[in-house]
Amino acid sequence: EVQLVESGGGLVQPGGSLRLSCAASGFTFSTYWMNWVRQAPGKGLEWVANMKQDGSERYYMDSVKGRFTISRDNAKNSLYLQMNSLRAEDTAIYYCARAPNSRGWASFDYWGQGNLVIVS
Amino acid sequence: QSALTQPRSVSGSPGQSVTISCTGTSSDVGSYNFVSWYQQHPGKAPKLIIYDVSTWPSGVPDRFSGSKSGNTASLTISGLQAEDEADYYCCSYAGRYTWVFGGGTKLTVL
Repeated sequence: EVQLVESGGGLVQPGGSLRLSCAASGFTFSTYWMNWVRQAPGKGLEWVANMKQDGSERYYMDSVKGRFTISRDNAKNSLYLQMNSLRAEDTAIYYCARAPNSRGWASFDYWGQGNLVIVS
Repeated sequence: QSALTQPRSVSGSPGQSVTISCTGTSSDVGSYNFVSWYQQHPGKAPKLIIYDVSTWPSGVPDRFSGSKSGNTASLTISGLQAEDEADYYCCSYAGRYTWVFGGGTKLTVL
């Protein structure tokens, strides 16, 4: 069974930093693109960042470029999101999400339960 | 990276059909057949229900169907059931390995 479990969220002051982790199990983590998607309280989903299987490529939404860094450790089956210079508008539930291989590669087929980050 | 436009809410009675629209631009929805749809119940993670405009993942009933015309994608839910009441989000590939979501639509089953 595919499982994605996020951790590391919490309350942080504006300008502060936080590192989210996503522990993956039930599939061969090293063969999938992985993503972070966030959802502000009562708002819609927002794609944040993704990373290629071997870590050689990573992409970000404009508003987090230069502040957030996505990384992964395939030996530990883990995805990370280092968030620096946090702003109130970064307050959200952050989801780790997997992108399928081949068919449906441009979608997100498994999601974690989410982890709340509050910047205040 | 502007959000795709969805109606804030739609409603229908059990057994009826409803359609949720998702309007983007020629840079996202209009350029790629990579629109996906997600169902989210309160307090839960999103669930993939349609990918590549109109393809069902395994286990998703064919009551859910997707289509696209120009810059607008649509999700149709036929034979509405009480458990379909949820928020629905569209998402489109926007090029250069970036994605854009819609603002979400709340479906109420009357």
